[in-house]
Amino acid sequence: AQSVSQHNHHVILSEAASLELGCNYSYGGTVNLFWYVQYPGQHLQLLLKYFSGDPLVKGIKGFEAEFIKSKFSFNLRKPSVQWSDTAEYFCAVNAKYGGSQGNLIFGKGTKLSVKP
Amino acid sequence: DTEVTQTPKHLVMGMTNKKSLKCEQHMGHRAMYWYKQKAKKPPELMFVYSYEKLSINESVPSRFSPECPNSSLLNLHLHALQPEDSALYLCASSPTTSGGASFYNEQFFGPGTRLTVL
Repeated sequence: AQSVSQHNHHVILSEAASLELGCNYSYGGTVNLFWYVQYPGQHLQLLLKYFSGDPLVKGIKGFEAEFIKSKFSFNLRKPSVQWSDTAEYFCAVNAKYGGSQGNLIFGKGTKLSVKP
Repeated sequence: DTEVTQTPKHLVMGMTNKKSLKCEQHMGHRAMYWYKQKAKKPPELMFVYSYEKLSINESVPSRFSPECPNSSLLNLHLHALQPEDSALYLCASSPTTSGGASFYNEQFFGPGTRLTVL
């Protein structure tokens, strides 16, 4: 079965620090990859997505992610975090089965706390 | 209109009550989803509707009954729930590609209904 691993449960950074959140998935076929963010008290929002093409994708609010197929990874990065980036971050994978529909599988999430 | 709306925002119900959650989108998406999210956990898929037909039921107990009356609306009917069903219930929708399949596209989430079962 597919699975998504986010190894960092809670990350604490100071403002202006660089961020990298890890995401690994366990499916060997074609995948669509997503990062969602959930700010405190708010709904899930899409940060960025990868379907095909350039493996380095840029999203909203200065976030980017790199798809490395050989490592089954899709790590999220931001060069300089702000206090407003404090949120829960979820990596999600949608695998394409032949003739079947793909379900969105979420990682367990990484809580990011940014100290002002 | 580029959002998914859900009502009510909060719901408190007893174990013998019958209530319904409502989800609406006007983005023309033909796939709609119900998720359950417990505190500090990722969303868990419950149901998927495609073109108003139920296509996935992730072994959800029958006390949860989904309904898709039209392409914009998705309901979740609740009956005889248990306290452990207390959670945030999220609705999502995804757009249709030229090939028709929309399950692989990004999903747009509503704000959720916070359900408490007493």
